Amino acid sequence: AQSVTQPDIHITVSEGASLELRCNYSYGATPYLFWYVQSPGQGLQLLLKYFSGDTLVQGIKGFEAEFKRSQSSFNLRKPSVHWSDAAEYFCAVGARNTYKYIFGTGTRLKVLA
Amino acid sequence: DAGITQSPRHKVTETGTPVTLRCHQTENHRYMYWYRQDPGHGLRLIHYSYGVKDTDKGEVSDGYSVSRSKTEDFLLTLESATSSQTSVYFCAISETEGTDTQYFGPGTRLTVL
Repeated sequence: AQSVTQPDIHITVSEGASLELRCNYSYGATPYLFWYVQSPGQGLQLLLKYFSGDTLVQGIKGFEAEFKRSQSSFNLRKPSVHWSDAAEYFCAVGARNTYKYIFGTGTRLKVLA
Repeated sequence: DAGITQSPRHKVTETGTPVTLRCHQTENHRYMYWYRQDPGHGLRLIHYSYGVKDTDKGEVSDGYSVSRSKTEDFLLTLESATSSQTSVYFCAISETEGTDTQYFGPGTRLTVL
């Protein structure tokens, strides 16, 4: 079955610390992978996406993600977290010839001053 | 930011009443989606549209109907609201199919008493 798993429901880090949010997927077709961020009371905003090519993808706000096909993972990273990064983060996967994404259940990030 | 608005932004209604949520876009994108967001479930697709008058069901479509008579408008109707439909509803648009970035509206918080 197609699925996206974000194993961490909540993560707390100190401001300035590094961050890694995990995403694992199970998808029969070639996956198109996305990370979105949702600030409180807001809609989702795209951070970055991977379609093909270089497996390390750069996004907005200093985020990056690495696609590892052998591990079916697409983990999101940031070297130094800022207080404004506190939000909920969603991983999603899409594919050709399908109209829809599958979303993970999200990881809520808390940043300590 | 993509031009997507949702109305109303907040609504409280009673069980058994009909409710219609509106999504309006100014981007002329072909694809439009309705999601609901609930704690622990992430985003789940209710219905989507791949053109004017072309719609299809998502994973949680029971109790919901949609209509799209113009490119810019996608309506979600709860024929007879139930408490289980209390949720935050997001509209999204994309230019192409499931491999493309989706742009999200600000959401509608619906409470069914």
